[in-house]
Amino acid sequence: DIQMTQSPSTLSASVGDRVTITCRASQSISSWLAWYQQKPGKAPKVLIYKASSLETGVPSRFSGSGSGTEFILTISSLQPEDFATYYCQQYDSYSKTFGQGTKVEVK
Amino acid sequence: QLQLQESGPGLVKPSETLSLTCTVSGGSVRSSSYHWDWIRQPPGKGLEWIGSLYSTGSTFYSPSLESRVTISVDTSKSQLSLKLSSVTAADTAVYYCARLAKGTYDYGYIDYWGQGTLVSVSS
Repeated sequence: DIQMTQSPSTLSASVGDRVTITCRASQSISSWLAWYQQKPGKAPKVLIYKASSLETGVPSRFSGSGSGTEFILTISSLQPEDFATYYCQQYDSYSKTFGQGTKVEVK
Repeated sequence: QLQLQESGPGLVKPSETLSLTCTVSGGSVRSSSYHWDWIRQPPGKGLEWIGSLYSTGSTFYSPSLESRVTISVDTSKSQLSLKLSSVTAADTAVYYCARLAKGTYDYGYIDYWGQGTLVSVSS
């Protein structure tokens, strides 16, 4: 299995902050990486696919970068509705794996 | 607008088989463009991929669950099915069905999720 490691596990930030979350793969996954946002009691929602492509309807303050084994999700200016947990997922392999999640909380 | 709705027993006894269905509306479950995943999330924990069913009929399962899981489709009912046998308390989770957006060279990311259904394993 390809292991996905996110950092940090928890991130404390304020509205307006620039936020970055890192996801590392245990082997190269090309650009086959998605980022999801999950709020309590809700299903996740895709933000970014193919490492850097913004899903339709997702605000442009979200962006993704990286390829190979290292990927970054950036929120350029954190909004109140962005406090949530974020997951990366690789889909390069048939055995798709998620990172452990990064909770973005109020500082 | 595609909608997915999971349903099934909310409580399953240890050693029994967990059976869930996912009803698809607003789209055809048998479309050659559609592929499907089941995902689960234990209370307070992260997401775990269970398995995938592709429009070709191919299925892939998590290595940790492969011996116990079956994913299938009933096109007449526009439903997906998940069966997980010999359950234990560790299988207590919210179970999600989901649709994959897939290209030629990848295994697909999730673009639509069901709302999820909580299944508890307890005697």
